[in-house]
Amino acid sequence: AQKITQTQPGMFVQEKEAVTLDCTYDTSDPSYGLFWYKQPSSGEMIFLIYQGSYDQQNATEGRYSLNFQKARKSANLVISASQLGDSAMYFCAMREGPARDDKIIFGKGTRLHILP
Amino acid sequence: GAVVSQHPSRVICKSGTSVKIECRSLDFQATTMFWYRQFPKQSLMLMATSNEGSKATYEQGVEKDKFLINHASLTLSTLTVTSAHPEDSSFYICSAPGGWGQGMDGELFFGEGSRLTVL
Repeated sequence: AQKITQTQPGMFVQEKEAVTLDCTYDTSDPSYGLFWYKQPSSGEMIFLIYQGSYDQQNATEGRYSLNFQKARKSANLVISASQLGDSAMYFCAMREGPARDDKIIFGKGTRLHILP
Repeated sequence: GAVVSQHPSRVICKSGTSVKIECRSLDFQATTMFWYRQFPKQSLMLMATSNEGSKATYEQGVEKDKFLINHASLTLSTLTVTSAHPEDSSFYICSAPGGWGQGMDGELFFGEGSRLTVL
């Protein structure tokens, strides 16, 4: 069974609009971390945002925010005021366990296209 | 943030040869490094966890003898693809969790990736 599910293979969004990328996860470990990474066509992995399972507030980093619904096991990424440079592949990932060196697994990704 | 450097970025080799990919943490010590494989337009698949001073932990379905991982020091992990075949062609990317005070809790810092093409 998939631990990280991203149901949107691709999305097209008009520039300057907000966009929500979906992510649900599955774990029985009470301590876990959720990440979002961006991968442009160059292949590099760019860290966007992190949410710990015990964090009370939703994480925010500039134009990125993470809508953490713990009971629903969802961790959607919201990008406000999208820009052309946001076009890329976006991966949701989960660290299952409390330790920094617990392994991190990735969802299948969502390819986001920002339209001018 | 912490820096992870991966080399080479691109390599082309003949079928049957072995290829070594290096992953270095430049400004921090990494007792653990992760090796991922990514096929075109697909996700990152965890291959193995590299542990400094001990054997690597391989994910199910990953051939240990095909993909040799050595974590020689706190700043270097290597992946050797042995007797490479065309189906081993892929994008290999290493990563390491940052140390305390580096990045977010357990944030992974990625190398630039290595694109392997086996002819």
